[in-house]
Amino acid sequence: GQQLNQSPQSMFIQEGEDVSMNCTSSSIFNTWLWYKQDPGEGPVLLIALYKAGELTSNGRLTAQFGITRKDSFLNISASIPSDVGIYFCAGHRGAQKLVFGQGTRLTINP
Amino acid sequence: DGGITQSPKYLFRKEGQNVTLSCEQNLNHDAMYWYRQDPGQGLRLIYYSQIVNDFQKGDIAEGYSVSREKKESFPLTVTSAQKNPTAFYLCASSWDSMNTEAFFGQGTRLTVV
Repeated sequence: GQQLNQSPQSMFIQEGEDVSMNCTSSSIFNTWLWYKQDPGEGPVLLIALYKAGELTSNGRLTAQFGITRKDSFLNISASIPSDVGIYFCAGHRGAQKLVFGQGTRLTINP
Repeated sequence: DGGITQSPKYLFRKEGQNVTLSCEQNLNHDAMYWYRQDPGQGLRLIYYSQIVNDFQKGDIAEGYSVSREKKESFPLTVTSAQKNPTAFYLCASSWDSMNTEAFFGQGTRLTVV
């Protein structure tokens, strides 16, 4: 099935640092979603993007819908320990199923 | 409270046995989905349903079966034909297949011994 290329696969940072991750595809998407998953739990929706070029914030999180509609990025500012987890991007095209990236595992050293 | 409930949280079964995972939602969502997650991997779609009494295969449907007899419920059966059933299974729902904000349950970890 179609996949999104998410990078990096893992990140090891110090508390307080900013984080940036992105998701790319060879196909155009109408919607980009960003989720966070804690160990042993289901993913939780963080941000939804619906328009090319759209920049949306949710607290310390900021995400953008790429102008080409083939990519999206997520930034986390001033990371804290509870930001640890796996972040997934997901793309959607009309009535087709939601497609997920492979995830970015974030580890924070206190 | 509205949400998606998966049960049980942990499930153990012997090899060769069929097992059914429960997923219930009270969000009045039309669309429901089942994903499989293996360690260190992303989510792979098993089956999805856009409306009651209708469902479609996802990318890895072999060895699985589903039913959608009620809007609130979308149970997944892992059959003995599934060669590697041990995984984390996630159920999700959305208003419809065009509305993309999917919300997930807590997941069921299935271990086959």
